[in-house]
Amino acid sequence: GQNIDQPTEMTATEGAIVQINCTYQTSGFNGLFWYQQHAGEAPTFLSYNVLDGLEEKGRFSSFLSRSKGYSYLLLKELQMKDSASYLCAVRSGPYVDKLSFGAGTTVTVRA
Amino acid sequence: DAGVTQSPTHLIKTRGQQVTLRCSPKSGHDTVSWYQQALGQGPQFIFQYYEEEERQRGNFPDRFSGHQFPNYSSELNVNALLLGDSALYLCASSLEGRLLAEAFFGQGTRLTVV
Repeated sequence: GQNIDQPTEMTATEGAIVQINCTYQTSGFNGLFWYQQHAGEAPTFLSYNVLDGLEEKGRFSSFLSRSKGYSYLLLKELQMKDSASYLCAVRSGPYVDKLSFGAGTTVTVRA
Repeated sequence: DAGVTQSPTHLIKTRGQQVTLRCSPKSGHDTVSWYQQALGQGPQFIFQYYEEEERQRGNFPDRFSGHQFPNYSSELNVNALLLGDSALYLCASSLEGRLLAEAFFGQGTRLTVV
């Protein structure tokens, strides 16, 4: 089975940095995705890690440690529009897009 | 590029009824997956279609069925609706064989069962 854990809620101030942790125990691993989802909308792709290490994309960075079953998403220079749910998802293969999601972390950015 | 499109956007049904949801994948994509997202939860994988066949299924009862057409579009059918089927239903498309490809999600269909 799949077990993916992430915190339920986080609050941060505009301009600050927030780190969202994700731990996983899955049968098979072919990569880890982070998605952003605003209320009532579809998830949108943020990042993808398949090898250990840090991937940086502008204000967003994602880290993966496969041996520890651990990832984090780092959001820098927070903006009000970053208030959303952030979903950690593991692709356990063998197919391209069968994803197992965590319950999501709701990030609230305050002025 | 229209991306992944789903219809309808919202739907209200009565317990015991049947519903059909539709999905058109992103241009060039040939694989369609369906997910159910209950309020406050992450999406749960229902099944995936490729070459007009269901090739992988999540932990959902047979009341959930689907179809993929030659143009790669897909339908999700749910029979004998239960109150617990109320959720956001998401369709995701991707291209078979692209191991680093992301799945693109449609905007979803919000199903309410009363």
